[in-house]
Amino acid sequence: KAGVTQTPRYLIKTRGQQVTLSCSPISGHRSVSWYQQTPGQGLQFLFEYFSETQRNKGNFPGRFSGRQFSNSRSEMNVSTLELGDSALYLCASSPVRGLMAYNEQFFGPGTRLTVL
Amino acid sequence: AQRVTQPEKLLSVFKGAPVELKCNYSYSGSPELFWYVQYSRQRLQLLLRHISRESIKGFTADLNKGETSFHLKKPFAQEEDSAMYYCALWEYGNKLVFGAGTILRVKS
Repeated sequence: KAGVTQTPRYLIKTRGQQVTLSCSPISGHRSVSWYQQTPGQGLQFLFEYFSETQRNKGNFPGRFSGRQFSNSRSEMNVSTLELGDSALYLCASSPVRGLMAYNEQFFGPGTRLTVL
Repeated sequence: AQRVTQPEKLLSVFKGAPVELKCNYSYSGSPELFWYVQYSRQRLQLLLRHISRESIKGFTADLNKGETSFHLKKPFAQEEDSAMYYCALWEYGNKLVFGAGTILRVKS
């Protein structure tokens, strides 16, 4: 099976712009979670989507949003970019939700966003 | 708030020496804990979870509820163990709370 893919791999934006990142889960996986990874804050949960519905959300401002399509692909959007949004954004997919899915959860390579 | 603490940013050991990566947590319920590893230029991947009680790549971790700890151990470090290690706590709602991570460097 192909792994989790994320596009683009690198992005450079300026403050105030918006950005859309994409995550394609492993075939058959229906749950997609997003994480932000920064040197200062480490890995922080952004949100989780399952069956096209947001099921859980982390402590991020409303500028961070996402969606999931019927084929389970997910996008996240950040509007009005700030310098502090510079980070590696990871997505992870699993076949189902819940604790038992973690043995089958796989991460993508991430999208490196730089905000100037 | 639930928290995961990894007190060491960097742990440097010699090849063949024992390794212990520390992780402490605070959680009001019955915790579900994981260790994740990220090798250089590779993806984050699950190393082990406490419920499975497996040994993966020689690593083990025991949940100590009294000390609220989930330390990762290996009796003899190998150079290929050099990586970033994250301890994580599963929260109801399908959310992982990660510690800040510890870089393990195994010197030859």
